[in-house]
Amino acid sequence: QVQLVQSGSELKKPGASVKVSCKASGFTFASYAINWMRQAPGQGLEWMGWINTNTGNPAYAHGFTGRFVFSLDTSVTTAYLEITSLKAEDTAMYYCARESYLCSTGTCYLDYWGQGTLVTVSS
Amino acid sequence: QSVLTQPPSVSAAPGQKVTISCSGSSSNIGDHYVSWYQQLPGTAPKLLIYGNNRRPSGIPDRFSDSKSGTSATLGITALQTGDEADYYCGTWDSSLSAVVFGGGTKLTVL
Repeated sequence: QVQLVQSGSELKKPGASVKVSCKASGFTFASYAINWMRQAPGQGLEWMGWINTNTGNPAYAHGFTGRFVFSLDTSVTTAYLEITSLKAEDTAMYYCARESYLCSTGTCYLDYWGQGTLVTVSS
Repeated sequence: QSVLTQPPSVSAAPGQKVTISCSGSSSNIGDHYVSWYQQLPGTAPKLLIYGNNRRPSGIPDRFSDSKSGTSATLGITALQTGDEADYYCGTWDSSLSAVVFGGGTKLTVL
């Protein structure tokens, strides 16, 4: 069955870095883009961007450039989100989700989601 | 502020029907299908509706959507207490080249 399994919760100090993993199984990894979303406590969903699992090329949403890096290890069908120079406002749940490379064609949907990774930034 | 606009909350009694609106513009809803997601408390979002009113396997036909111009509406019939959740609309925005979401609507089943 299709699964996206994310790494566990993280507690980090301001200025540190964190790397969240998203392990895919049950489907052909290269056939789907991996998208990343942020959900701050008590808030809605924000799209952070996506990574092309064929080329490794990332695309970042406005507001998620510079400190946010998407990467892949296709040998283990895993996508990563790294956040550097962490700030208190980065405290949030982070989700990965797959998408069929259809967004620009008119039918955009995220059909399977990871369980989420809580990143807490506190001194 | 979210690109798509949803009401913060809606409520209805068990067995009744409720609708949740999602308003956008010509660069998003006006040009693309809307998808809907259900987020039960403490869990990840789950896809409910996509494309032209299509439901993933396992999603009951109590859930449906419609679109008119730059707005979409999620309908839920025969409400159950287990439907209490946050609901989000989402789509692609051609001007932003981005996935955009609504701010979410909290459904309370009284």
